Amino acid sequence: KAGVTQTPRYLIKTRGQQVTLSCSPISGHRSVSWYQQTPGQGLQFLFEYFSETQRNKGNFPGRFSGRQFSNSRSEMNVSTLELGDSALYLCASSSTGDYGYTFGSGTRLTVV
Amino acid sequence: AQSVTQLGSHVSVSEGALVLLRCNYSSSVPPYLFWYVQYPNQGLQLLLKYTTGATLVKGINGFEAEFKKSETSFHLTKPSAHMSDAAEYFCAVSDRGGSNYKLTFGKGTLLTVNP
Repeated sequence: KAGVTQTPRYLIKTRGQQVTLSCSPISGHRSVSWYQQTPGQGLQFLFEYFSETQRNKGNFPGRFSGRQFSNSRSEMNVSTLELGDSALYLCASSSTGDYGYTFGSGTRLTVV
Repeated sequence: AQSVTQLGSHVSVSEGALVLLRCNYSSSVPPYLFWYVQYPNQGLQLLLKYTTGATLVKGINGFEAEFKKSETSFHLTKPSAHMSDAAEYFCAVSDRGGSNYKLTFGKGTLLTVNP
């Protein structure tokens, strides 16, 4: 059974640009969540989607957005990148969203 | 609001020694509880979880954790450390009943295993 797949693994972007990260969940999982991991703030929740609907959103500025497609694949977008957006972005999937999540390997975003 | 406190950002043990990583939570009702492990340049791997039933939970790689409601704790243990256990460990909670669909993580504990 394939795990959670995140692409790309690494990204380098310039301040002011925008970026789109992709996540393919485990087959059959309809809940997809995104987390940001930084050395200073640790693991912080960005948002969760289930059947194309955002059910919860973390405390991040509007520059961070996401969406989920009918096949449960999800994307997150960060516009007007700032240096502080440099982080490991982790996607996780779950069948229902409450009994624990399976995480992908993450996308390492570096903003220069 | 839920919160998770992991005591000790860095724990160092000798190979073969007991591993004890501490986790306390704050929640209005007992949450679901999880331990995840992260190896360098990797995502998070679920070690074990407590949702209901027996309070002593066994996970992968010989780890176990005990939910103690009176102490609001969910400490992770392993009787004998192996070099391959060196990694960062995260305790996490989520709302019982899944009403907010998110995990709240502790700051993590980096485990070092000395030969």
